[in-house]
Amino acid sequence: DADVTQTPRNRITKTGKRIMLECSQTKGHDRMYWYRQDPGLGLRLIYYSFDVKDINKGEISDGYSVSRQAQAKFSLSLESAIPNQTALYFCATRPRRNTGELFFGEGSRLTVL
Amino acid sequence: AQSVTQPDIHITVSEGASLELRCNYSYGATPYLFWYVQSPGQGLQLLLKYFSGDTLVQGIKGFEAEFKRSQSSFNLRKPSVHWSDAAEYFCAVGAFGGATNKLIFGTGTLLAVQP
Repeated sequence: DADVTQTPRNRITKTGKRIMLECSQTKGHDRMYWYRQDPGLGLRLIYYSFDVKDINKGEISDGYSVSRQAQAKFSLSLESAIPNQTALYFCATRPRRNTGELFFGEGSRLTVL
Repeated sequence: AQSVTQPDIHITVSEGASLELRCNYSYGATPYLFWYVQSPGQGLQLLLKYFSGDTLVQGIKGFEAEFKRSQSSFNLRKPSVHWSDAAEYFCAVGAFGGATNKLIFGTGTLLAVQP
């Protein structure tokens, strides 16, 4: 089983709908991240969390919210999805004491019609 | 501000040929530098990383990269490319310290391998 698991892997939704992407990890890491990948733009940071009480905005947090329900779970929500939120979303983790390497999930592909 | 530039969007090489993917960064302090690879339909996998010490670092799958402070570069190389190396490659710089704790990624280079 994957150490960083994202659900769903694929989702098609309509404009205005609420959608939640979930991430769970078995690595015991306290840092968790949500990135968005778009062709030609690379990965851009949406939100990150140092622990369950510490949530931080990334560079493109508008239109998104997150919840850190437990050390192992970090969810990304789109309250009212819009077509330009169509993208591949990645969750990543890392331990507090390391030199920065991130461990990625396999991604969640979201299409907003 | 920290940034990463990968000037080549798409590269095609023949199987067996050598490969160099370019990466330039902007960062005020000694950077933590990474190369990740993303195979189709997969997440990102770390190829190699540089923090300090020897400026030539070895990674998995026969890849290496050289940190050149004077050129603000961290180019990825492989002497002989295999068809299975076809993927997208991302360079990243780690910005850690104070209120910052994240990796900043380049826009990626898509590698195609011709038989």
